[in-house]
Amino acid sequence: DADVTQTPRNRITKTGKRIMLECSQTKGHDRMYWYRQDPGLGLRLIYYSFDVKDINKGEISDGYSVSRQAQAKFSLSLESAIPNQTALYFCATSDLTGVTGELFFGEGSRLTVL
Amino acid sequence: RKEVEQDPGPFNVPEGATVAFNCTYSNSASQSFFWYRQDCRKEPKLLMSVYSSGNEDGRFTAQLNRASQYISLLIRDSKLSDSATYLCVVNTEGTYKYIFGTGTRLKVLA
Repeated sequence: DADVTQTPRNRITKTGKRIMLECSQTKGHDRMYWYRQDPGLGLRLIYYSFDVKDINKGEISDGYSVSRQAQAKFSLSLESAIPNQTALYFCATSDLTGVTGELFFGEGSRLTVL
Repeated sequence: RKEVEQDPGPFNVPEGATVAFNCTYSNSASQSFFWYRQDCRKEPKLLMSVYSSGNEDGRFTAQLNRASQYISLLIRDSKLSDSATYLCVVNTEGTYKYIFGTGTRLKVLA
């Protein structure tokens, strides 16, 4: 089983709908992140959290919100989806004390907004 | 100027060839450097961290040049299975900020 699990893996929805992408991890890491990936733009940070009580905006947080329900769970919500939020979304974790600072990614959630 | 820049490629090379990618970064305070590999429609996975003295892992060699602010990845004896997109990632220690390049696509041809 994957250490970082995202659900759903694929979702097609309509403009204006509320969507939640969920992420859970078994790595015991404190830091969790949500990124989106668009062709030609690389991965861009939406939100990040360093522990359950810590939520921070990334570079492209407009139109998104997050919830850190537990150390292992970090959810991303699109309150009213729009077509330019069509993208591949990745959840990632890292270990605060890790030497390498490696990011561990979930398998991704492909979202299409019609 | 982008914070992290990579040549998008694609680099089309025959099996057995040696290929090198460069990545430049703009923030001189950057302290951690990584190469990630991403297969089509899959998640990125760490290929190797890049250390100041340079480091090697089998057929892969990573180098850091702080003066010129670039890192490089050398792949020797390319395999078909090396075909992927290689992402350069830069981090400033103590911050959340991992900056990703847009990736360099490699295609190894039989």
